[in-house]
Amino acid sequence: GAGVSQSPSNKVTEKGKDVELRCDPISGHTALYWYRQSLGQGLEFLIYFQGNSAPDKSGLPSDRFSAERTGGSVSTLTIQRTQQEDSAVYLCASSLGGAAIQETQYFGPGTRLLVL
Amino acid sequence: AQSVAQPEDQVNVAEGNPLTVKCTYSVSGNPYLFWYVQYPNRGLQFLLKYITGDNLVKGSYGFEAEFNKSQTSFHLKKPSALVSDSALYFCAVRDDGGGFKTIFGAGTRLFVKA
Repeated sequence: GAGVSQSPSNKVTEKGKDVELRCDPISGHTALYWYRQSLGQGLEFLIYFQGNSAPDKSGLPSDRFSAERTGGSVSTLTIQRTQQEDSAVYLCASSLGGAAIQETQYFGPGTRLLVL
Repeated sequence: AQSVAQPEDQVNVAEGNPLTVKCTYSVSGNPYLFWYVQYPNRGLQFLLKYITGDNLVKGSYGFEAEFNKSQTSFHLKKPSALVSDSALYFCAVRDDGGGFKTIFGAGTRLFVKA
């Protein structure tokens, strides 16, 4: 596709349920990022993947959050036992992942998660 | 660890006047600095970046930013604001020794009044 796509665009779930959010990066982009944007807040870094290297998970807020990237392309962010404070827009971005001069991140439209 | 501060939650400016959106940063190594913009009901878009070289960086839509190492700042500027510039602006930083981890500021909402 032409840009980063995310699905679903909206997700409403009940507290305690698990959710999976999907990100399809731009073809050929080796770096993939997940961020969380709470209402009225900035972007909070969650995790990034770069090629075959071990992901940087330093931004994941708790062990209920996990992410994987299969085949160096599609990524899934999983939130287990969701809590109301998990309600936010989850943004995915990708970049070429090469030299720093190339480092522009292209963002998807986001998944708006509401935990009731 | 890297960090970014955008000291103003909101900036108000009249159309045609110059605008400045402030950003300061902290990194251990050398900074890679970025500005992104989020228009209402649209995704985040890249505006400009500083990696190395000339301290004055020009970007999309007539925006520019000046890297000031001594003040650890990377303020976004535009000589003449447009109403259509009204949006949420994010400054972001990467540490050149910190992999691809990018830290974003809290954002500054720009209102341009006609």
